[in-house]
Amino acid sequence: GDSVTQMEGPVTLSEEAFLTINCTYTATGYPSLFWYVQYPGEGLQLLLKATKADDKGSNKGFEATYRKETTSFHLEKGSVQVSDSAVYFCALTRSLNNNDMRFGAGTRLTVKP
Amino acid sequence: DTAVSQTPKYLVTQMGNDKSIKCEQNLGHDTMYWYKQDSKKFLKIMFSYNNKELIINETVPNRFSPKSPDKAHLNLHINSLELGDSAVYFCASSQTTGKGVTQYFGPGTRLLVL
Repeated sequence: GDSVTQMEGPVTLSEEAFLTINCTYTATGYPSLFWYVQYPGEGLQLLLKATKADDKGSNKGFEATYRKETTSFHLEKGSVQVSDSAVYFCALTRSLNNNDMRFGAGTRLTVKP
Repeated sequence: DTAVSQTPKYLVTQMGNDKSIKCEQNLGHDTMYWYKQDSKKFLKIMFSYNNKELIINETVPNRFSPKSPDKAHLNLHINSLELGDSAVYFCASSQTTGKGVTQYFGPGTRLLVL
């Protein structure tokens, strides 16, 4: 079935470091891809998304590009801040059924001053 | 105004009890969901309702039953609670029109079964 695989955490970085969190997917057809972020003690918030190949989603300095050839949607940020410390989830929805969102296992990011 | 709200935020109860978690959304969405997040942060969908019809029912025990009195509410009732039910339960909603629809999540209900 459709699934998402994320790099295992936790990831610990110093402030202003470059961030990459890898995400690859397995799906039939053309899924939509998402990154959600969960801050401590809170629910999930949409960070960015892309709905077709070569689309780039971006928000708050984060970016991810939908790569169909490598079935990937890696999350990047050029300079992380302490406030970026959170758990990041990669997710997909199937192309014809938006109700079925599959999440990766989540990657915990800690940014130290 | 809170878009997706859940009550209670915390729930501590004994094994064998029956409990309910309420969810309300004021976004006018037509689909609502329940997810379970375990201690390792893994998220799994449990149910979704679209126009009062159950359209996803993953392999969850039948002790769990979603109840939707109207489009804006999807409550989760759990019978005979077990230790393994301890988790964070998230409600979400979306408007099911087209590709790439965003799901909006509530703040979560932290359930601890003793």
